[in-house]
Amino acid sequence: AQKVTQAQTEISVVEKEDVTLDCVYETRDTTYYLFWYKQPPSGELVFLIRRNSFDEQNEISGRYSWNFQKSTSSFNFTITASQVVDSAVYFCALSAISGNTGKLIFGQGTTLQVKP
Amino acid sequence: SAVISQKPSRDICQRGTSLTIQCQVDSQVTMMFWYRQQPGQSLTLIATANQGSEATYESGFVIDKFPISRPNLTFSTLTVSNMSPEDSSIYLCSVTFPTAIYGYTFGSGTRLTVV
Repeated sequence: AQKVTQAQTEISVVEKEDVTLDCVYETRDTTYYLFWYKQPPSGELVFLIRRNSFDEQNEISGRYSWNFQKSTSSFNFTITASQVVDSAVYFCALSAISGNTGKLIFGQGTTLQVKP
Repeated sequence: SAVISQKPSRDICQRGTSLTIQCQVDSQVTMMFWYRQQPGQSLTLIATANQGSEATYESGFVIDKFPISRPNLTFSTLTVSNMSPEDSSIYLCSVTFPTAIYGYTFGSGTRLTVV
């Protein structure tokens, strides 16, 4: 069975602090995708990144960076120098590459509050 | 990227009534997905809708409560039937584009309140 765990329910930081959101996943598939989404208070889902299981390179995009470690089944997300606009719920998600199910399995989400 | 138009964006409904949510995609897609997000919770897949066949429902969701139509490759509807306050949630549709970098596109969601 597939499962995504985001152990941190809520995180509160002060602006300019760095913050890491943890994501641990379980899957029996050998090929899969991992995702991070941001959900601001307005409710829409904002795509942040997709990583396939073949690519363990870390990625940096501006203040955002992702650390994918297959050995520990983790795909952590770090925001550097956090800003108030980063306040949102962040979801980690998993989908299989093979097969036709196509469905996304979401973690429970981490609510990030960045205080000025 | 593909654009999904989801309607209505929000609604307040009386218990015992039904609401139909529509999703229109600006390109043809094989699979469409319907998710529910209860207040303060994560997204849970309700069902996968393929054109020309019955929807496939996840455990805990049944067709009588959440009937789905998929008349063509760009459109789908989800009906929430005989609503109760426990059905108050955000409902989102989604489509997948495996070759696109983003993989999935989501509608803007329907925020449903049942009173």
